[in-house]
Amino acid sequence: DIVMTQSPATLSLSPGERATLSCRASRSISTYMAWYQQRPGQAPRLLIFDASKRAPGIPARFSGSGSGTDFTLTITSLDPEDFAVYYCQSRVTWPRTFGQGTRLEIK
Amino acid sequence: QLQLQESGPGLVKPSETLSVTCSVSGGSISSSHFYWTWIRQPPGKGLEWIGSVFYTGTTNYNASLESRVTISVDTSKNQFSLKLTSVSAADTALYYCARDDSYDYPGFDHWGPGILVTVSS
Repeated sequence: DIVMTQSPATLSLSPGERATLSCRASRSISTYMAWYQQRPGQAPRLLIFDASKRAPGIPARFSGSGSGTDFTLTITSLDPEDFAVYYCQSRVTWPRTFGQGTRLEIK
Repeated sequence: QLQLQESGPGLVKPSETLSVTCSVSGGSISSSHFYWTWIRQPPGKGLEWIGSVFYTGTTNYNASLESRVTISVDTSKNQFSLKLTSVSAADTALYYCARDDSYDYPGFDHWGPGILVTVSS
């Protein structure tokens, strides 16, 4: 199975700052991965697919990059609604696997 | 607008079978572009993929749960279901159904609100 490892576990930043979240796959998955945001009390929401493409309705301040084993989610100029938990996910094959999540909290 | 909605008992006794159903509205479950998926989240923890079903009935399961899991689809009702046997407290979680899009926006692009299932006597 592909293991997805996210870092850091928790990221403390202030509104307006830039956030950089990392995800590493245990072997190459090309760009077959996605990022999700989960706000408290809500279901996860698809942010990024194919490593770098924004899902419909996702603000331009969210961007994804990477291929192979190393991936990055960047949020420029954090909005208060962006403080949430973020998950990466491999979809190159079965089983679908998630990273353990990065909690983005207000500093 | 596609909507998914989970339903089922919120409380299951240890050793019994957990059964939840996902009703899909605003779109057909019978599409070659999508897998229909169950994902769970224990309280305060991360997401765990349980398994997925294609409209033909083809399934893929998480190996750690495979011996206890059955996911089925009912195209006539536009629903799919999860059964998990021999449950224990470790199976207490928020259970989400989701659509796994393999075509337009590859990823879990639509989710239900989730149903909390507690395993307790």
